[in-house]
Amino acid sequence: NAGVTQTPKFQVLKTGQSMTLQCAQDMNHNSMYWYRQDPGMGLRLIYYSASEGTTDKGEVPNGYNVSRLNKREFSLRLESAAPSQTSVYFCASRRGTEAFFGQGTRLTVV
Amino acid sequence: QQPVQSPQAVILREGEDAVINCSSSKALYSVHWYRQKHGEAPVFLMILLKGGEQKGHEKISASFNEKKQQSSLYLTASQLSYSGTYFCGTEIGLGFGNEKLTFGTGTRLTIIP
Repeated sequence: NAGVTQTPKFQVLKTGQSMTLQCAQDMNHNSMYWYRQDPGMGLRLIYYSASEGTTDKGEVPNGYNVSRLNKREFSLRLESAAPSQTSVYFCASRRGTEAFFGQGTRLTVV
Repeated sequence: QQPVQSPQAVILREGEDAVINCSSSKALYSVHWYRQKHGEAPVFLMILLKGGEQKGHEKISASFNEKKQQSSLYLTASQLSYSGTYFCGTEIGLGFGNEKLTFGTGTRLTIIP
């Protein structure tokens, strides 16, 4: 049972480049999330999806787009990366009380 | 808006007790607590629901005062394994479409022998 799988684990981008962070869960969960974690800022919600085809902005959505094409997968896209988007990104999924997190993607924008 | 946690950091000797507080400006349905070890993903500890009673997990327990929109996490007789960063998460509802889980800035707990 893999749980929540994020790819890639590490990525370095140049300013202005685009990329998509992938997240997949095999627990048949409805809710999925994208967070970013920065020193001293905790976990900040970027986007939330309650189910396939629905998404909702979180606290820091600017500069990001998401896609929930099916129940398993929830992707996060950076259209034009900026140094301020250097962070560790966590995907999570949940059904009921407990959220399960992926192992994170460490993204550096230079 | 993120819930506010205090303190930001605490250092304890093994066996000592600690309290971590979490407060929100919004009416809450539930409060979650997670722990994150360095370099790892956050892991669920417990959830407290509106109208529910105090929860416990080993020597870690928590309370939720929905009127004050506050929650506290209690760690008693701390062990080295309790070291990590603790996050409270809040949401205004439960169930489909309401599980928009927002976390606080975290409290870093260091236990020394």
